[in-house]
Amino acid sequence: QKEVEQDPGPLSVPEGAIVSLNCTYSNSAFQYFMWYRQYSRKGPELLMYTYSSGNKEDGRFTAQVDKSSKYISLFIRDSQPSDSATYLCAIFNQGGKLIFGQGTELSVKP
Amino acid sequence: ETGVTQTPRHLVMGMTNKKSLKCEQHLGHNAMYWYKQSAKKPLELMFVYSLEERVENNSVPSRFSPECPNSSHLFLHLHTLQPEDSALYLCASSQNHRPQGELFFGEGSRLTVL
Repeated sequence: QKEVEQDPGPLSVPEGAIVSLNCTYSNSAFQYFMWYRQYSRKGPELLMYTYSSGNKEDGRFTAQVDKSSKYISLFIRDSQPSDSATYLCAIFNQGGKLIFGQGTELSVKP
Repeated sequence: ETGVTQTPRHLVMGMTNKKSLKCEQHLGHNAMYWYKQSAKKPLELMFVYSLEERVENNSVPSRFSPECPNSSHLFLHLHTLQPEDSALYLCASSQNHRPQGELFFGEGSRLTVL
């Protein structure tokens, strides 16, 4: 079983929609979770990180961790064309390594 | 000036060529990384350097040879590559290697092997 799994998409939504991006992970001991955003022809950049369970909000973005289900989510409210990018979840495994999901390609249409 | 700079941005090479990718970080970090990014696949960690010492080599073929002459510079030397090595190669840096914190990535070098 892969340590982190993410649906690669692509996901296409109209402007203003609420977007839900998700990852599952294999080990309930994992505690640090990150979301990176990668624009076309650019390197990934850290968008948000969370520790343990619960929600974290930053503007239009909310990161959510459900440890009981081993499921993490990134919600984007009022999505904009400028949000079009690939979103990668990343999780620190027990060895202290950052393990990335495949990335979900998101397109927000005007 | 961006934090992590990679050159060249694009590279096309034949299977018998020898080329090098260069990475420079201006963030004062102690750890530097090479990742391979292929379509629809997770980022693959290739090499990790901490304070100029290679601390990780994830079963990467010997046709990829890293070099870290100082804490700000990282190279990836390429020779006799295969077409399946075509990918985006990303350099990254972080404050430390253990524990590994936020990674700062360069824009990548897009490699095409003919």
